[in-house]
Amino acid sequence: GQNIDQPTEMTATEGAIVQINCTYQTSGFNGLFWYQQHAGEAPTFLSYNVLDGLEEKGRFSSFLSRSKGYSYLLLKELQMKDSASYLCAVRALSGGYNKLIFGAGTRLAVHP
Amino acid sequence: GAVVSQHPSRVICKSGTSVKIECRSLDFQATTMFWYRQFPKQSLMLMATSNEGSKATYEQGVEKDKFLINHASLTLSTLTVTSAHPEDSSFYICSANIQGGSYEQYFGPGTRLTVT
Repeated sequence: GQNIDQPTEMTATEGAIVQINCTYQTSGFNGLFWYQQHAGEAPTFLSYNVLDGLEEKGRFSSFLSRSKGYSYLLLKELQMKDSASYLCAVRALSGGYNKLIFGAGTRLAVHP
Repeated sequence: GAVVSQHPSRVICKSGTSVKIECRSLDFQATTMFWYRQFPKQSLMLMATSNEGSKATYEQGVEKDKFLINHASLTLSTLTVTSAHPEDSSFYICSANIQGGSYEQYFGPGTRLTVT
């Protein structure tokens, strides 16, 4: 079966660094995405990892270890606007299609 | 960049009626579109994969006769919720892959359906 786990909620202070972890057990693994979603809006793309290692993009970095079924999203220099849900999604090949399977999301609250 | 639109953005309907939601890729052709449903404070659940010119592939537990999907062209997919009930009230989001493109899925802005 397909299973993706991430913490339900996290809090952090403005200016700090926060790491959101994601573990997965899927068949047909073909990459891992991180999305940001504000309430009532569609997800917006943050990062994509298909090979092991760290991908850095500005204040956001994402890490993947395929052997461990593990990824994390690192947010630096937190801003109030970073308060949102962060969705870990695994791209899996199934039935001839690449599908995205989402975790339940981590609601991050950034406070002053 | 690739843009996906959805229409309507919000809809309120009475129980027992049908509602159609449109998903369009505005500046690219999409051979595959995906339909998701999201309940409050929950994540996106894939409902079905829609392919132009062929029948949609539904996820386990999604009733194909209740959620009709039509992918009539490379830029348009529609989801019709038939005989809607209050429990169908949800946020419906579509996404699309660029034909011959890379890995990224481009998401529409979502449609908030409320069934009274």
